[in-house]
Amino acid sequence: DTAVSQTPKYLVTQMGNDKSIKCEQNLGHDTMYWYKQDSKKFLKIMFSYNNKELIINETVPNRFSPKSPDKAHLNLHINSLELGDSAVYFCASSRREGGNSPLHFGNGTRLTVT
Amino acid sequence: KNQVEQSPQSLIILEGKNCTLQCNYTVSPFSNLRWYKQDTGRGPVSLTIMTFSENTKSNGRYTATLDADTKQSSLHITASQLSDSASYICVVSVGEKYGNKLVFGAGTILRVKS
Repeated sequence: DTAVSQTPKYLVTQMGNDKSIKCEQNLGHDTMYWYKQDSKKFLKIMFSYNNKELIINETVPNRFSPKSPDKAHLNLHINSLELGDSAVYFCASSRREGGNSPLHFGNGTRLTVT
Repeated sequence: KNQVEQSPQSLIILEGKNCTLQCNYTVSPFSNLRWYKQDTGRGPVSLTIMTFSENTKSNGRYTATLDADTKQSSLHITASQLSDSASYICVVSVGEKYGNKLVFGAGTILRVKS
């Protein structure tokens, strides 16, 4: 009955590889997000999708590409991984973009690039 | 520049004691203020959301206050339990016409010991 689930929980890979992180929400929410939490614990928005349509794309290298096959899924694909990509990536969803809708987060994917 | 600052950075208290965490923000225009609890290795979980017109909101032993004039919020935890050990993150939402950006604080790490 997990609301927002993301896989894998841990991902260790070498520089230059391509990897994907999957996210699914069963809350019926219209909006999904990807956040990056760095070593200083700040959460930074990367992407926001509303009903499969991209609405926020922060200053993120184009090596990062989100894919939303339907409104319940938002996957994150990363090409040519770099050491600086090491972080915890969180998927989240909300009833709608903005307003007073709380975000529901997944439990994160810890990416380590060696 | 939109910023959210939290204090203290970390805090250790004895089980059963009360504590108060602070959040100051310079976000404008203000839409709402949220408090999230993040357990180690988990995603943040929403505790409260307050709009401009609300100056206090409770969720069990957690009570958040908001002073929109001084741009300050506090999260008061009553009769702390070991399970309250977590990072508490203050998040402020920038107004609608700016695309409802969320500005995150760095969090206060609370440790409750027996």
